[in-house]
Amino acid sequence: QKEVEQNSGPLSVPEGAIASLNCTYSDRVSQSFFWYRQYSGKSPELIMSIYSNGDKEDGRFTAQLNKASQYVSLLIRDSQPSDSATYLCAVRGGGADGLTFGKGTHLIIQP
Amino acid sequence: DTGVSQDPRHKITKRGQNVTFRCDPISEHNRLYWYRQTLGQGPEFLTYFQNEAQLEKSRLLSDRFSAERPKGSFSTLEIQRTEQGDSAMYLCASSLLWAEGYTFGSGTRLTVV
Repeated sequence: QKEVEQNSGPLSVPEGAIASLNCTYSDRVSQSFFWYRQYSGKSPELIMSIYSNGDKEDGRFTAQLNKASQYVSLLIRDSQPSDSATYLCAVRGGGADGLTFGKGTHLIIQP
Repeated sequence: DTGVSQDPRHKITKRGQNVTFRCDPISEHNRLYWYRQTLGQGPEFLTYFQNEAQLEKSRLLSDRFSAERPKGSFSTLEIQRTEQGDSAMYLCASSLLWAEGYTFGSGTRLTVV
């Protein structure tokens, strides 16, 4: 059974600091990795995708992938109160199209 | 781009009744997905269409659940003989390419009483 594990939090970070969110996955043949942001009562919104080992940067967001360790992370620089949300890690395995999501990490940015 | 549209936004039904939800994907997206999300959990995959073909179904999708995408455009998800455990947010998503992430709709929140 494919599993995606995230610390549920809450993770509290001061405004302006770097927020670091982590995710591990069980399926070694996973090929695609995504981070979604979900505000309370809203649907998930795609913020980052990453497919190969290393870092991928997009504005204040950096996704990091280490396939050998089966580990994905998301860094948010210069955290803002508007970044307060639940962050969902999602993984697509080899040969399957459906994404497997973690339970999400609840991030709180303290003003 | 009108995004992914879902209807209704909310549905309250009595246990044992049938319900049907509709999803209109982004017009050029040929891939359509249904997910279910309960409080404190991540979305759980239910089923996936490429054009009109249903290519993948989760074991979560019991015989009471059926999904269609008759002309490769909008999709419907029907739940027969609803149970209280079916109460959840039902999310539809679409994408154009296999590799890319999805765009989710606003969801249909189902409450079974």
